[in-house]
Amino acid sequence: EAGVTQSPTHLIKTRGQQATLRCSPISGHTSVYWYQQALGLGLQFLLWYDEGEERNRGNFPPRFSGRQFPNYSSELNVNALELEDSALYLCASSLAGGIFGNTIYFGEGSWLTVV
Amino acid sequence: AQSVTQLDSHVSVSEGTPVLLRCNYSSSYSPSLFWYVQHPNKGLQLLLKYTSAATLVKGINGFEAEFKKSETSFHLTKPSAHMSDAAEYFCVVSGAGTASKLTFGTGTRLQVTL
Repeated sequence: EAGVTQSPTHLIKTRGQQATLRCSPISGHTSVYWYQQALGLGLQFLLWYDEGEERNRGNFPPRFSGRQFPNYSSELNVNALELEDSALYLCASSLAGGIFGNTIYFGEGSWLTVV
Repeated sequence: AQSVTQLDSHVSVSEGTPVLLRCNYSSSYSPSLFWYVQHPNKGLQLLLKYTSAATLVKGINGFEAEFKKSETSFHLTKPSAHMSDAAEYFCVVSGAGTASKLTFGTGTRLQVTL
């Protein structure tokens, strides 16, 4: 069974551009989570989608946004890129209803470099 | 509010010796606790989780952790380290009412030497 898959693996963008990262959850999972792992800042919660709706959002500016599609895959968009957005972006998935009582599985991440 | 503190940023052990990675937690709710491992340039892999069942939790690859409420600790142990255990380990807490937000510790880098 396929795990959580993310694309692209690596992405290089220029400051001010937009980046789009994609995530496919494990089959049967309807909750998708996004985390940012930046050097020196650790892993920080970005977004949680469940059944197509945004359920929770971390302490990030509005230029970080996303959506979940009817097939439960998800997209993270980062607008007006800044140098400090350079990080590993991790997607995770779980069964419906969020993490309480469920196991969260992570993908291998997408490396975003802003130059 | 919830938080985790990983007491060591770096631990070095010899192959074949025991591993102890320490984690203390703070949570307003009855917590769920996890240990994840991250190998270089890889995503996170779940080692084990505690969700208020047995206090001694066994995970993959010979790892286990004990939930001690009185000490607010959830230390990760392994009887005998293997070279392949070298990685970054994260202690993670969550709980009811946190709207599915996992709170990660800052990580402990485990080095295994011959």
